[in-house]
Amino acid sequence: ELKVEQNPLFLSMQEGKNYTIYCNYSTTSDRLYWYRQDPGKSLESLFVLLSNGAVKQEGRLMASLDTKARLSTLHITAAVHDLSATYFCAVDGGRGSTLGRLYFGRGTQLTVWP
Amino acid sequence: KAGVTQTPRYLIKTRGQQVTLSCSPISGHRSVSWYQQTPGQGLQFLFEYFSETQRNKGNFPGRFSGRQFSNSRSEMNVSTLELGDSALYLCASSPAFNSPLHFGNGTRLTVT
Repeated sequence: ELKVEQNPLFLSMQEGKNYTIYCNYSTTSDRLYWYRQDPGKSLESLFVLLSNGAVKQEGRLMASLDTKARLSTLHITAAVHDLSATYFCAVDGGRGSTLGRLYFGRGTQLTVWP
Repeated sequence: KAGVTQTPRYLIKTRGQQVTLSCSPISGHRSVSWYQQTPGQGLQFLFEYFSETQRNKGNFPGRFSGRQFSNSRSEMNVSTLELGDSALYLCASSPAFNSPLHFGNGTRLTVT
């Protein structure tokens, strides 16, 4: 079965610092997604990455995809407290996969402190 | 545009009982998926429905079932509840490939 590994699983960082979350997956996949989840809340879509070399940015977050390495990164620039949440990456099952079937990583719990 | 709506938000059931959860997708979204989220196992796929047909099923026992109606609304049912079924159950809908799944707020099920 397709495996998705995120690291680190826990990240505590000071405001203003930069850091990167890594997402590796075990088999060819056509689509990679990043989601954010606040405590007690649902998942909010952040990025959809569809091709090798894709890069997307929204505010202090930037996501990239390297399909050859089966690796996506989520880079945080000058972190602020509001970014504290759990971040998930997810991939589809590759060729023949269905629309709603995603494989999720375990999530990275990010805490940003002053 | 209304988001994915799940009811109820919270449920407390006793072992051996059964439960039905409901999900209304975003208007126009024909794909509805269900996920179970627990601290131990993370997010696990339960099943997916499209146009009233189950298209995909995760690795869960037969106690977990679902269906989709002609208006795309979906229900999932868990029979003979076990303590390990305590989880947040998330429903998601999507309009097409290359679009993200849109998740509802979930139903928090506690089995005692």
